[in-house]
Amino acid sequence: DAGVIQSPRHEVTEMGQEVTLRCKPISGHNSLFWYRQTMMRGLELLIYFNNNVPIDDSGMPEDRFSAKMPNASFSTLKIQPSEPRDSAVYFCASRDRGPNTGELFFGEGSRLTVL
Amino acid sequence: DQQVKQNSPSLSVQEGRISILNCDYTNSMFDYFLWYKKYPAEGPTFLISISSIKDKNEDGRFTVFLNKSAKHLSLHIVPSQPGDSAVYFCAASGDNYGQNFVFGPGTRLSVLP
Repeated sequence: DAGVIQSPRHEVTEMGQEVTLRCKPISGHNSLFWYRQTMMRGLELLIYFNNNVPIDDSGMPEDRFSAKMPNASFSTLKIQPSEPRDSAVYFCASRDRGPNTGELFFGEGSRLTVL
Repeated sequence: DQQVKQNSPSLSVQEGRISILNCDYTNSMFDYFLWYKKYPAEGPTFLISISSIKDKNEDGRFTVFLNKSAKHLSLHIVPSQPGDSAVYFCAASGDNYGQNFVFGPGTRLSVLP
C-alpha cells in the first residue's frame, strides 16, 4: 500500500516566488492535515480537511498561505509570495476519520528553502 | 501558548538503560495521546497511543504512562537501543478538539552504544 505521497521533496526558490506543495493522501482516508516543522516551534498544524472541506485553518500564518483539496486524493499548499521565514519542512498527513482513535500517517515531507 | 509541552529538547542515554521522555499538556479536553518517532529526512511515524480511560499502555519495549490529574504523560523505552535515536513527539487530541492533533516541540533522544 502506498503511503502519503508528497512532492516535491526539496524546493529551493527565491523570495517573492510562488511555491506549490502537493500531497496525495492514503486512499480511503478522509482527513488530511498540513503541518510545518521548524526548529523553533516543532510541528505546527497549518490546516486540516475532513471530506475535502477545510475545517480549521487557524494555523495558516497569513494570507500568503492557501490550501485546497479539490478531491479526496489530492491537496495543495501554496505560498505566494514566499519569504525566507517560510523555510521549513512541510508535512502532509492523513487519517481515517472516526471516533477518537486512529493515528496520523505522514508523508516524507517537502523541505522548502526560500533564499 | 503551547498546549503540549516537552520541556527537554534533548536526552542522552546509554544503550541498554531506560529512556524516559516526558510530556505535559494544559487542555483538560484532551483525551487521547500519541507518541510519534521521527528520523532525519523522514516523516514522523506512529509509535504508541493511550486513551484517557487508561493510565498505562505497553507495546514491547515501549510503555506510555498517563497521569490525568497532573496532565502529564511519559514514554519509557526499556532497554534503549541505538536505533531508538530519533526525535520523539508527543501529540494530543480530543473529540471536543475537532479531531485535530496538537504536537509538542519534540525531544531528541540519543542512545549511545
